[in-house]
Amino acid sequence: AQKVTQAQTEISVVEKEDVTLDCVYETRDTTYYLFWYKQPPSGELVFLIRRNSFDEQNEISGRYSWNFQKSTSSFNFTITASQVVDSAVYFCAPVSNFGNEKLTFGTGTRLTIIP
Amino acid sequence: DVKVTQSSRYLVKRTGEKVFLECVQDMDHENMFWYRQDPGLGLRLIYFSYDVKMKEKGDIPEGYSVSREKKERFSLILESASTNQTSMYLCASSSQPSQHEQYFGPGTRLTVT
Repeated sequence: AQKVTQAQTEISVVEKEDVTLDCVYETRDTTYYLFWYKQPPSGELVFLIRRNSFDEQNEISGRYSWNFQKSTSSFNFTITASQVVDSAVYFCAPVSNFGNEKLTFGTGTRLTIIP
Repeated sequence: DVKVTQSSRYLVKRTGEKVFLECVQDMDHENMFWYRQDPGLGLRLIYFSYDVKMKEKGDIPEGYSVSREKKERFSLILESASTNQTSMYLCASSSQPSQHEQYFGPGTRLTVT
């Protein structure tokens, strides 16, 4: 079973600032996947990224980047030059790579971008 | 585009009523999921189905049942609704295996009075 901690319940930043959302997970598995999802005010969760535990390279997609540190069991998400449309709840979720396992979602971080 | 639809965005029911929440996906996905979302608790898995007529309990199945008679449709049933089942209910689907990304519907906000 997986466990995930998103210690930041709410974050507010002024538009154009950079912001990092923390995710710390616990797992006994040697291989696993890590996900980030975004839930905008409309309510529908949107998939952002899936990362295999074998791949520790950082990922960048436009203003979004992810820093995976297996040694500290963290998979942090950074938004550069934040925009109002980034306001949402963000969820981190690990899942084992074995069997028919299901995602374990964190409690989420509510990000508010102040114009 | 993957589309997951849920029958209602908002629903108000009385205590003791039988409630059906319907979810339909159009991507021929094998897996379908029902979650509930409550403030401070994140998403919690209620039930999961990996094939037609197959189901598995999630973390909080008590008070709920599910039905999957067709691949594209997954129903969540509250046999006798109670006030502590007031919540946001989210349906999702994914291809096999279950480690693939899930696609979510817009959610149903259920209020039980």
